[in-house]
Parts: sequence; C-alpha cells; structure tokens
Amino acid sequence: SQQGEEDPQALSIQEGENATMNCSYKTSINNLQWYRQNSGRGLVHLILIRSNEREKHSGRLRVTLDTSKKSSSLLITASRAADTASYFCATDGNDYKLSFGAGTTVTVRA
Amino acid sequence: DTAVSQTPKYLVTQMGNDKSIKCEQNLGHDTMYWYKQDSKKFLKIMFSYNNKELIINETVPNRFSPKSPDKAHLNLHINSLELGDSAVYFCASSSQVEDTQYFGPGTRLTVL
Repeated sequence: SQQGEEDPQALSIQEGENATMNCSYKTSINNLQWYRQNSGRGLVHLILIRSNEREKHSGRLRVTLDTSKKSSSLLITASRAADTASYFCATDGNDYKLSFGAGTTVTVRA
Repeated sequence: DTAVSQTPKYLVTQMGNDKSIKCEQNLGHDTMYWYKQDSKKFLKIMFSYNNKELIINETVPNRFSPKSPDKAHLNLHINSLELGDSAVYFCASSSQVEDTQYFGPGTRLTVL
C-alpha cells in the first residue's frame, strides 16, 4: 500500500521563488528520502534524512522531519527552471523496501 | 558508463503477447528492484533481489516473473500481456551499505 503522500499534488512558482512540498506517512521509518523525476526520466536521489534527524541541508535543498507528526517537508530555495520536475518522498521501514508517494509536480516559470 | 540501464526504452505490443525487459547495473550493488509507475505517477515496488535471491515479492500477478542471472542483472518477463500492464517500468539498484536507490531510465510499455 502507499506509504507516503505528498502535498500539494502540483505547484507552480516563479523563478527565484522558494518551493515547499510536504510528505506524510503512516508507519514508523528508518529514514525518509526525497527523489526528483524529470519528465520521461528515471528517479534521482536528492537527500536522505534518518529518523533521529530533524533537519538536513544539501545545496539549495532543506529537508525537515517530524516523526511525532509522521511528516517531512522539502524546501527548494531560489528555484530555477531546471528544478521543474516531480518530487517524491519515499519511506524506508524495516521491510527492505522503499514506499513512494504519488509525487508533487513542480513547475518553475521563467 | 551508464550506472543502471534498461532495454528497451519503449515497448509496444499486442494483448496476449509475452515480452521481456532487461536491466543491468555497473555499480557493484548487491540489490536490484523492479518498480511499476502508473499513469498517475504512483510508483510501486514489484520485486527485489539481493545477490540473486528474491527478497521482495509484492502482490503481483504470476504472469510477471523476474530473473536474476547474476547480481548485475535483473530481467522482467511478462506473459500474456494485458491492457492494464501498460505503464512505465523502472529498474533500480542499491548497495547494502547505502540506503539510496539508483534508478534506470525506465521502459514505457504500451499494450494494445
């Protein structure tokens, strides 16, 4: 069954603005990962945050994790046209597999 | 020097046919996966192999049969294709040390 659910389903922003998307999940996790998928391509790993971490940064990406609320957020700062893609959260539980949500589609307008 | 490769990229076939998708990774990873992504972009795990041993076998029709000849390859064979099998199929791999997965470019299967 689907573990993560992203919100919003779609997001349209102006270049230079920040984009924030959220992910909620149902069961306990070892870690939570964010992936990007450009149109017609495979998924690319962006960042991993472990269950004992609350915040993590990588370049223009900032991820938070609140295990009490079973939620995570991904912030992309100073967005660029190249950030146009679908973003997926994936939870890693104790069952050797990642469970993905349906993604947030981000469109960055020039 | 592609990390995870899949062939073919596109596959168009008639209902009832049997087809295979091949996947190869040159990352030295021990674990490989097959995912199905539907038209709403929902990505669902189908199978996973670790060192040629099946470790994940989700509720998938037995028309789907994975085969791992060695730990660098994981192929997916589909018998008696149905309209509902139309989707994009992704192969991925990961190491036992690292939790992240590396995805192939996908195979878009269209069943007519």
